[in-house]
Amino acid sequence: EPEVTQTPSHQVTQMGQEVILRCVPISNHLYFYWYRQILGQKVEFLVSFYNNEISEKSEIFDDQFSVERPDGSNFTLKIRSTKLEDSAMYFCATQTRRGDTQYFGPGTRLTVL
Amino acid sequence: DAKTTQPTSMDCAEGRAANLPCNHSTISGNEYVYWYRQIHSQGPQYIIHGLKNNETNEMASLIITEDRKSSTLILPHATLRDTAVYYCIVRVADDYKLSFGAGTTVTVRA
Repeated sequence: EPEVTQTPSHQVTQMGQEVILRCVPISNHLYFYWYRQILGQKVEFLVSFYNNEISEKSEIFDDQFSVERPDGSNFTLKIRSTKLEDSAMYFCATQTRRGDTQYFGPGTRLTVL
Repeated sequence: DAKTTQPTSMDCAEGRAANLPCNHSTISGNEYVYWYRQIHSQGPQYIIHGLKNNETNEMASLIITEDRKSSTLILPHATLRDTAVYYCIVRVADDYKLSFGAGTTVTVRA
């Protein structure tokens, strides 16, 4: 069964450093998402991406965040200058078309020191 | 803005059916009911979804009331591996995001 994969599984970084989180979507999926979950809190939507454009983003997704699909397969989330409060699990999700079921990856645990 | 209401937690005996309720009294005609679960801190796992008819797949059954104001997820034979947080989510058909609430923490006991 096809799965969404994410790398790395755990990333530790110093405050102020840039991090890139990677996701490999299911092969025929065209819509891509990032969500995050701070420890003990709800899963929160960050951004949706389709056809090389952001289709929707939340208030959390400020100028420190960016997304791209650099090579037609990977889907990345970049945090330009990490803050302590960026420490969270980051989940990628993908779907075939708008409104279809979203499938999630296993997540990347980001720890900012 | 929570569109769904779920109990905070519930216990279930291994091998028995687990019935997870969800209230969505303000649901609109074009909104689907989705169920996901999250085991520990793993990525949310899709379980099942429906619009107005009852649905069944290899994981669970979804029973939606006729007025669509509530639904029940049924895990027919709960196992210890079904221990997780279960999320009931209402979503417009062409919406992008999923809006997660706090969910129901289900503990399956031997």
